[in-house]
Amino acid sequence: SAVISQKPSRDICQRGTSLTIQCQVDSQVTMMFWYRQQPGQSLTLIATANQGSEATYESGFVIDKFPISRPNLTFSTLTVSNLSPEDSSIYLCSAQTGGGLRNEQFFGPGTRLTVL
Amino acid sequence: AQSVTQPDIHITVSEGASLELRCNYSYGATPYLFWYVQSPGQGLQLLLKYFSGDTLVQGIKGFEAEFKRSQSSFNLRKPSVHWSDAAEYFCAVGVGGSYIPTFGRGTSLIVHP
Repeated sequence: SAVISQKPSRDICQRGTSLTIQCQVDSQVTMMFWYRQQPGQSLTLIATANQGSEATYESGFVIDKFPISRPNLTFSTLTVSNLSPEDSSIYLCSAQTGGGLRNEQFFGPGTRLTVL
Repeated sequence: AQSVTQPDIHITVSEGASLELRCNYSYGATPYLFWYVQSPGQGLQLLLKYFSGDTLVQGIKGFEAEFKRSQSSFNLRKPSVHWSDAAEYFCAVGVGGSYIPTFGRGTSLIVHP
């Protein structure tokens, strides 16, 4: 299993600023991900955080808006840049452990972002 | 591309009653199927998953789900609901070797005493 922590748990930011969210996993994992959960909506995958290389972004998400770092196998950051009220969401970090049929995906508690 | 439909936005049940949450998926081959629960202020927790084999899957907290290929469904059930089961429930489908889940919109479960 994997225990995932995120910092901050919530923040209120002004329009035009940026917020960096940290994700720490208590064990080494192969794959880490970032999701967005907009109010009353489901989870949408933003990107896969690749260790030592550029993240892989899903359609509709770009590196300039959501730069991601993953310096090692237990840590990743997501920055939400040039904030607008539409960015108000919960951002969740996720990690996969195991392999094949033993694969399991774990989620952090989320970071609730409010943009004024 | 795969997709997941959870037709019920809210479900209200009385404590002790049985529960069934609906999930339908769209995918050309046999998918990997998941149910997650999200309690207020908490991250998502995996309840159960189906990869292959027995189509009736047992999970944690007394939940089970049945994969029905003919109906493209993976409904979640519990015979007797507890007040602590009140939460948001997400069905998800994964495809390919990466098993990365695509989530449905979620069903909010309300439990009346």
